[in-house]
Amino acid sequence: EIVLTQSPGTLSLSPGERATLSCRASQTISSSYLAWYQQKPGQAPRLLIYGTSSRATGIPDRFSGVGSGTDFTLTINRLEPEDFAVYYCQQYGSSPRVTFGQGTRLEIK
Amino acid sequence: QVQLQESGPGLVKPSETLSLTCTVSDGSIGTYFWTWIRQPPGKGLEWIGFIDYSGSTSYNPSLKSRVTISVDTSKNQFSLKLSSVTAADTAIYYCARVRVYWFFDLWGRGTLVTVSS
Repeated sequence: EIVLTQSPGTLSLSPGERATLSCRASQTISSSYLAWYQQKPGQAPRLLIYGTSSRATGIPDRFSGVGSGTDFTLTINRLEPEDFAVYYCQQYGSSPRVTFGQGTRLEIK
Repeated sequence: QVQLQESGPGLVKPSETLSLTCTVSDGSIGTYFWTWIRQPPGKGLEWIGFIDYSGSTSYNPSLKSRVTISVDTSKNQFSLKLSSVTAADTAIYYCARVRVYWFFDLWGRGTLVTVSS
């Protein structure tokens, strides 16, 4: 089973700052199969990034993703008030086919 | 704009079977793979399983013995059944659409299912 470990667990930043969120896999995964989601309280997750670095429809360009192998990063530049939420990474691979990271909570400092 | 809507009982007794349906608002159920994902209150996301339009499935091994996902293309619906539920199965259950590289681009709003007597 591929385990995704996200860090930090909680990130406290101010609007306008840059957020850097990490997702580390326990085994090498294909960069095609790494995605990021944003979840706000009371809402379903929202797709942000797929294939490590491709933004989903309607996602602003302040969101960007990079990575390969076992290390992947989501960067949010110039934080807006609406960006404060929980972020999950997700991979597809061997059984169980899909796993999620435990999430990073981005909170207003 | 296509939407997904989960429906089903919000309360299930222990040892009984949880049954949910996801309705796809347009006729695209025959075009994509579909999935169920759950989230215990205050916790992270857990993938339950996939189904395609032909009915082929793939399940999370941790739930495989208790899960059945089925599709009814005539009704634009796919369904989840989880048997022998316990309090640990209390969660928000989401249905979602699967895209080519196995990510989920469209989600239902989710439905809370509580397991309690």
